[in-house]
Amino acid sequence: RKEVEQDPGPFNVPEGATVAFNCTYSNSASQSFFWYRQDCRKEPKLLMSVYSSGNEDGRFTAQLNRASQYISLLIRDSKLSDSATYLCVVNMLTGGGNKLTFGTGTQLKVEL
Amino acid sequence: DTGVSQDPRHKITKRGQNVTFRCDPISEHNRLYWYRQTLGQGPEFLTYFQNEAQLEKSRLLSDRFSAERPKGSFSTLEIQRTEQGDSAMYLCASSRVGQGARDTQYFGPGTRLTVL
Repeated sequence: RKEVEQDPGPFNVPEGATVAFNCTYSNSASQSFFWYRQDCRKEPKLLMSVYSSGNEDGRFTAQLNRASQYISLLIRDSKLSDSATYLCVVNMLTGGGNKLTFGTGTQLKVEL
Repeated sequence: DTGVSQDPRHKITKRGQNVTFRCDPISEHNRLYWYRQTLGQGPEFLTYFQNEAQLEKSRLLSDRFSAERPKGSFSTLEIQRTEQGDSAMYLCASSRVGQGARDTQYFGPGTRLTVL
């Protein structure tokens, strides 16, 4: 079983739609959680951290359920510029450092 | 640009050759990480440094791979006797810890390696 699992997609949605991505992780000792965005052939960029209380940043909402080991990302009013791969990332404190473990990513295509 | 920089951006080499990549972290970032990403996969952790000390290495990092950060600033990743399976994007990330910093990792643009 992969440490972080995501549906690879692609998710093809019309502009203005609401889309949700889910992710599960296997290590209950995981410390912190993130969503990164990666455009084609570019580096991953931090989209947002994910907290147990849930957090929102504009059109983006992230949720964490530690009991179910489940993370979600909701994108409202999707834009063409949201087209990218969204990486679910789990941070496991190890050897004093923070090793990020990435899912394979979920591809989003927003269409006119 | 004060972000993480990597050099070269692209490298094509023949099997069996040695290659070396460089990463310059964000100034004052004391942690530096190396990841590898293949097509259709998320990045995979290879190793990380705090200042000049290499604190962890992944099992993915075979004996042919070596990383250094001699002065606690830039880092190099060397691959000896390259194999076709080494073809990937090599990503560097840096972060700052201490004094309340959250250790958020910021990635460089990567070095894309193609082994023929």
